[in-house]
Amino acid sequence: EDQVTQSPEALRLQEGESSSLNCSYTVSGLRGLFWYRQDPGKGPEFLFTLYSAGEEKEKERLKATLTKKESFLHITAPKPEDSATYLCAVPAPESGGSYIPTFGRGTSLIVHP
Amino acid sequence: GAVVSQHPSWVICKSGTSVKIECRSLDFQATTMFWYRQFPKQSLMLMATSNEGSKATYEQGVEKDKFLINHASLTLSTLTVTSAHPEDSSFYICSAPWFSGRHNEQFFGPGTRLTVL
Repeated sequence: EDQVTQSPEALRLQEGESSSLNCSYTVSGLRGLFWYRQDPGKGPEFLFTLYSAGEEKEKERLKATLTKKESFLHITAPKPEDSATYLCAVPAPESGGSYIPTFGRGTSLIVHP
Repeated sequence: GAVVSQHPSWVICKSGTSVKIECRSLDFQATTMFWYRQFPKQSLMLMATSNEGSKATYEQGVEKDKFLINHASLTLSTLTVTSAHPEDSSFYICSAPWFSGRHNEQFFGPGTRLTVL
């Protein structure tokens, strides 16, 4: 069972058309939820960390929110340069007692001018 | 923010050869680094956790004899793909660190594109 599920897989928007990306998780005892942006052929770029339900963080046109079961990445009036794949991740416990980063499949966002 | 570098950024090799990829933390020390593999249009799949001064921890299904990891210092981890085959062609990414008390932030390298002919 996937512990992190992102939707939609792909999203096409017109410039200025606001929307939201979803990340739902099933791990218990959440130790943070992370959002990253990844451009083609590059490593992920850190955006936000959220720790508790109700928390919100903003950066330019992006705002991330967290509930007990999911997180949303809201994109307000997007621009073509916001086109990228957005990944969310949570630390998932493994049998050895440590935590490993577990990523969703990502949402590929394309913003048309 | 902290910077993680990888070298090389891309490599093309013949089947059967070995390829070494370096991951360096440039302005901070990392006792732990993570190695991922990413296939086209797929998410990052954790391969192994590299631990400075001890053996790496491999995820289920990852062959430790094929993907050799050496965490030689607090700023350098290497991944060697031994006897590479075309199915090993992928985008390899490292990151460091994961947990640092309450301040959880993971910095990723730019990735290494491996193509095995």
